Amino acid sequence: AQKVTQAQTEISVVEKEDVTLDCVYETRDTTYYLFWYKQPPSGELVFLIRRNSFDEQNEISGRYSWNFQKSTSSFNFTITASQVVDSAVYFCALSEGMRNMLTFGGGTRLMVKP
Amino acid sequence: DGGITQSPKYLFRKEGQNVTLSCEQNLNHDAMYWYRQDPGQGLRLIYYSQIVNDFQKGDIAEGYSVSREKKESFPLTVTSAQKNPTAFYLCASSQGAPYNEQFFGPGTRLTVL
Repeated sequence: AQKVTQAQTEISVVEKEDVTLDCVYETRDTTYYLFWYKQPPSGELVFLIRRNSFDEQNEISGRYSWNFQKSTSSFNFTITASQVVDSAVYFCALSEGMRNMLTFGGGTRLMVKP
Repeated sequence: DGGITQSPKYLFRKEGQNVTLSCEQNLNHDAMYWYRQDPGQGLRLIYYSQIVNDFQKGDIAEGYSVSREKKESFPLTVTSAQKNPTAFYLCASSQGAPYNEQFFGPGTRLTVL
């Protein structure tokens, strides 16, 4: 069975600090997809990134970057120079093979203080 | 604008009553999903539908029912059999392939009084 673990339930940083959100996954499939979503206080989940199991290249998008390592089954998310607007709950999720369903981690609540 | 709408945003219900949560999408997506989120927890899948007139149970389907009579609509009924229905309910849709991201609605917060 697939499983996603986000060990950090809550992180608090001061604005402009860098912060990394950890995500560890378990799957028996060789083909799978990993996602990160952001849930601001409004409640609606916002898609951030998708990565497939065959592409281990790291990705950078502005202040956001993602590090995918199959050797450690991790897909970590780093925010550089955090801002108050980054305060939200962040979810890592996994989709296996041909199953069109997401398994979510428990989420990490990030609080960025001014 | 394309997107997913859920109504109502807040819903109050007395114990023993059934209640239906609405979810509509105009993204022309084949697949639709219902999730439940409890405070401080992740999302758990209730039901999903890959195509019209077909749906499958997710991890926590007991006490819930759905229908998919139209591609754009996937209502969720919370029945009186659901022991602890107070939660935040999120509807999502996707193109239907496992590599496609899911798009989420704004959610409905259900409180049982």
